[in-house]
Amino acid sequence: EDQVTQSPEALRLQEGESSSLNCSYTVSGLRGLFWYRQDPGKGPEFLFTLYSAGEEKEKERLKATLTKKESFLHITAPKPEDSATYLCAVRGSNDYKLSFGAGTTVTVRA
Amino acid sequence: DAGVIQSPRHEVTEMGQEVTLRCKPISGHDYLFWYRQTMMRGLELLIYFNNNVPIDDSGMPEDRFSAKMPNASFSTLKIQPSEPRDSAVYFCASSPNTWGMNTEAFFGQGTRLTVV
Repeated sequence: EDQVTQSPEALRLQEGESSSLNCSYTVSGLRGLFWYRQDPGKGPEFLFTLYSAGEEKEKERLKATLTKKESFLHITAPKPEDSATYLCAVRGSNDYKLSFGAGTTVTVRA
Repeated sequence: DAGVIQSPRHEVTEMGQEVTLRCKPISGHDYLFWYRQTMMRGLELLIYFNNNVPIDDSGMPEDRFSAKMPNASFSTLKIQPSEPRDSAVYFCASSPNTWGMNTEAFFGQGTRLTVV
């Protein structure tokens, strides 16, 4: 069974204070690692898909990286509007579902 | 495209009543997923469909839950009878495919269900 563990559970940052979120995974034949952002009262919003170790993707202040065992979401010089819960999910080769981690709640103070 | 559309956004019902949640996926997407989100268990997959056919319903908690997809543009999740422990946010998501590139799933805004 696919397993996804995210750390830390919560992260409080000062505006401009860069940091990283971790997503460790166990999956049989990775067919994609996905990062989502979720704001309170809303559905998860797609950010990135990574398919193979060494791959990197960037969007504004966010950068996602992937190794064979984990993924990192780096937040560079965050702003208060980056406050959200960030979810990591994997899809393995055995089926088509996305298995999610519990998420990291990021709070950025001005 | 308007994205994945779910209705209602909020539902409050009494224990024992039937509840039906509705979902319209993104046009052209072959896969549809129903998830449930709670503080304790996070996002859990309940069931998913491929080309309107249920593929895996192993996440459906019990026989009180059922899901249908009569056509490519509509799906329902029904709970009968509802219980207080069913209170959660239910999300529908759709994906164009699961092979190659562009395999991400897009989520609706969710239905917050409260069973009293």
